[in-house]
Amino acid sequence: GDSVTQMEGPVTLSEEAFLTINCTYTATGYPSLFWYVQYPGEGLQLLLKATKADDKGSNKGFEATYRKETTSFHLEKGSVQVSDSAVYFCAGANNNDMRFGAGTRLTVKP
Amino acid sequence: SQTIHQWPATLVQPVGSPLSLECTVEGTSNPNLYWYRQAAGRGLQLLFYSVGIGQISSEVPQNLSASRPQDRQFILSSKKLLLSDSGFYLCAWSVGTDNSPLHFGNGTRLTVT
Repeated sequence: GDSVTQMEGPVTLSEEAFLTINCTYTATGYPSLFWYVQYPGEGLQLLLKATKADDKGSNKGFEATYRKETTSFHLEKGSVQVSDSAVYFCAGANNNDMRFGAGTRLTVKP
Repeated sequence: SQTIHQWPATLVQPVGSPLSLECTVEGTSNPNLYWYRQAAGRGLQLLFYSVGIGQISSEVPQNLSASRPQDRQFILSSKKLLLSDSGFYLCAWSVGTDNSPLHFGNGTRLTVT
């Protein structure tokens, strides 16, 4: 069945460092891909999405490009802030069946 | 605007007791509804999803059940809780059939003692 695999954490960075969190998917066809963010004690919030190959999703300085050839959707940010500390989830959806990766905890230190 | 309400926020229950978690969505019609569980240090596990009243799909066989008595109401239940049922339960909704993003509630932290 469909599945999403993302880089295990935790990830600890200093403020203004470059961030990459890897995500790959296995699916029949071409799922829509998403990144969600979860702040402590809260539910998940949509961060960005891409619905077809070569689409780039972006929001709040975060970006991810849907790479069909490598079945990847890596999350990147050029300069992280302390407020970006959270758990990040990669997800893929086929026919409204949304599957999530295990999540990657990011801690940004001042 | 659409909102989702999930309650209670935290719950401590003894082993063997029943469970009822409720989720309601406002501001939209005929949403797709989902229950996920997030165990400590792990990702999200899809438990149930529903595309309409009385239509429930179960992903994982276990002692939990779900019901959708009204269009925008989704209930997660158990007759007898197990220790392994502890976790963070998240309700979510989406609309349409085109892989729309999910919108999550704030979750219920369940501790079974």
